[in-house]
Amino acid sequence: GQQVMQIPQYQHVQEGEDFTTYCNSSTTLSNIQWYKQRPGGHPVFLIQLVKSGEVKKQKRLTFQFGEAKKNSSLHITATQTTDVGTYFCAGADNYGQNFVFGPGTRLSVLP
Amino acid sequence: DTAVSQTPKYLVTQMGNDKSIKCEQNLGHDTMYWYKQDSKKFLKIMFSYNNKELIINETVPNRFSPKSPDKAHLNLHINSLELGDSAVYFCASSLRRPQDYNEQFFGPGTRLTVL
Repeated sequence: GQQVMQIPQYQHVQEGEDFTTYCNSSTTLSNIQWYKQRPGGHPVFLIQLVKSGEVKKQKRLTFQFGEAKKNSSLHITATQTTDVGTYFCAGADNYGQNFVFGPGTRLSVLP
Repeated sequence: DTAVSQTPKYLVTQMGNDKSIKCEQNLGHDTMYWYKQDSKKFLKIMFSYNNKELIINETVPNRFSPKSPDKAHLNLHINSLELGDSAVYFCASSLRRPQDYNEQFFGPGTRLTVL
């Protein structure tokens, strides 16, 4: 079945440093979504990428979707303490029969 | 108004009991989901309904039975609860099916503890 992996599992950074998490799917995705979950909270949608090679920016966050639509990345520039949380990627296959979340990358930001 | 609401927020029960979790969305979405998040924070989709039709049915024990009386509600009934069922259960909804442009809105979660 479809599998989605993320690396790293954990990342500790000093405030102001950059952070990147990578997402890889075993199958081609129709789209990829990114969510953020704060400690004790629920996942909150950040963005969706649909096109091969797509790049989108949200302030300090940059999202990329690979050419083969099997991988994606989230890069945060100059992290802040408000960036703390777990970042999940999630993707659906082209038929919508499978929708899988990656295991997440837990980000800690030290002030 | 809360977009996706779940009740109860916390549920503590004994092994072997039967319990239900309710979910309602007021966003007018067609698709609803149930997810299980275990202690390691893995989010696993369990079920998805689109306009009351089951479209995703992952491999979960048949003790778990979803019911969608209408497209605004998706309830989860669990029979004969086991220790391994302890987790946070999230309900979510989206305007369309997973393979379409599809932001999912999550409820606050129900923390289930089985003793």
